[in-house]
Amino acid sequence: ILNVEQSPQSLHVQEGDSTNFTCSFPSSNFYALHWYRWETAKSPEALFVMTLNGDEKKKGRISATLNTKEGYSYLYIKGSQPEDSATYLCAFKGPGNQFYFGTGTSLTVIP
Amino acid sequence: NAGVMQNPRHLVRRRGQEARLRCSPMKGHSHVYWYRQLPEEGLKFMVYLQKENIIDESGMPKERFSAEFPKEGPSILRIQQVVRGDSAAYFCASSPGLSYEQYFGPGTRLTVT
Repeated sequence: ILNVEQSPQSLHVQEGDSTNFTCSFPSSNFYALHWYRWETAKSPEALFVMTLNGDEKKKGRISATLNTKEGYSYLYIKGSQPEDSATYLCAFKGPGNQFYFGTGTSLTVIP
Repeated sequence: NAGVMQNPRHLVRRRGQEARLRCSPMKGHSHVYWYRQLPEEGLKFMVYLQKENIIDESGMPKERFSAEFPKEGPSILRIQQVVRGDSAAYFCASSPGLSYEQYFGPGTRLTVT
């Protein structure tokens, strides 16, 4: 069984604060890492697809980095807004067909 | 371009009945994944299909569960003789290729009474 760990499990920040959280995955047989945002009562929505060690991706105030050699990815949110409140999921893909999802980091941004 | 559609959104079945969950992928997507989310757990891979083919069903219980993605029509996840432990949210996702980002449907919440 392959483990994908996300930390912290939940996070409360004040509006305007910057924050980051971690996804840890196996450092061998890496093919891809996905980040998704999952708002309550909606479907998970893709943020980033990362495939290369050292990748950095950015979308607005959200960015992500990838270290495949040590098996982790960071997601950063700059100047958090209430609309950023959601659960952030990462999903690891090895050489097979499966994607292994972490249990997510639940972010609450307090106005 | 409509997103991924799933129906029904909520399904209640008695123990021993059959549950049929449908997933219509986004237009142009030929890859479909099914995931199950048990209470207090994350998304767990069940099966990966391409049109008319089951590519990987290693995450699906060997008994009572089956999936198909016919040439025409939606992908179907079928659970026969449901038990209480099958109560969960079932999500499907589609993509244009294996390592591409996945587009998720709204899920079907199955309750077995």
